[in-house]
Amino acid sequence: GAVVSQHPSWVICKSGTSVKIECRSLDFQATTMFWYRQFPKQSLMLMATSNEGSKATYEQGVEKDKFLINHASLTLSTLTVTSAHPEDSSFYICSARDGRSWEQYFGPGTRLTVT
Amino acid sequence: AQKVTQAQTEISVVEKEDVTLDCVYETRDTTYYLFWYKQPPSGELVFLIRRNSFDEQNEISGRYSWNFQKSTSSFNFTITASQVVDSAVYFCASLPPNAGGTSYGKLTFGQGTILTVHP
Repeated sequence: GAVVSQHPSWVICKSGTSVKIECRSLDFQATTMFWYRQFPKQSLMLMATSNEGSKATYEQGVEKDKFLINHASLTLSTLTVTSAHPEDSSFYICSARDGRSWEQYFGPGTRLTVT
Repeated sequence: AQKVTQAQTEISVVEKEDVTLDCVYETRDTTYYLFWYKQPPSGELVFLIRRNSFDEQNEISGRYSWNFQKSTSSFNFTITASQVVDSAVYFCASLPPNAGGTSYGKLTFGQGTILTVHP
């Protein structure tokens, strides 16, 4: 089956620094990728939708200057959390939609802890 | 906009018991997809099933079964003879049709049900 990877799987950073999370579709071309955030014991909240070669579309309430999304190729999207603060600590999950089959596949998630 | 409600926040059962996880959805779309995902403690979402709104047939896969009823806007999930490995958070989700618009491709998740199966 289709595989989506995320790197890193977990990261600890200091407050004020920036962290980049990568989402890759390994065996298909992803025309669209989605980024979700999940706080402990809560559901997944969609942050933004990124289409290859264009600007990401952010959900209401998500700061686009804080969560920079780049979808430069059909197999890679990155989420950069800029000037991270402890409240940004969360589980970030990406999903990628196969451009041919329209199926959506989830990555394994990245656990971010900001100290 | 779509909405998915999983009223059961937490369920606790003893191994070998049957358990049903409820899911109620709201949508104005005439066609849509419904999903169930399992999220074990590792965090990775595991796809369980996708159902097209046109297909109201119940489905069984091993110990798992799903009951889709459009009349009550429900898509319930039953685990028969539960096992400790079934302990996880289960999410129901809906997806509008691939017809463009602002909801294009966006999954709407329910709040999740934490299932704990005790030995």
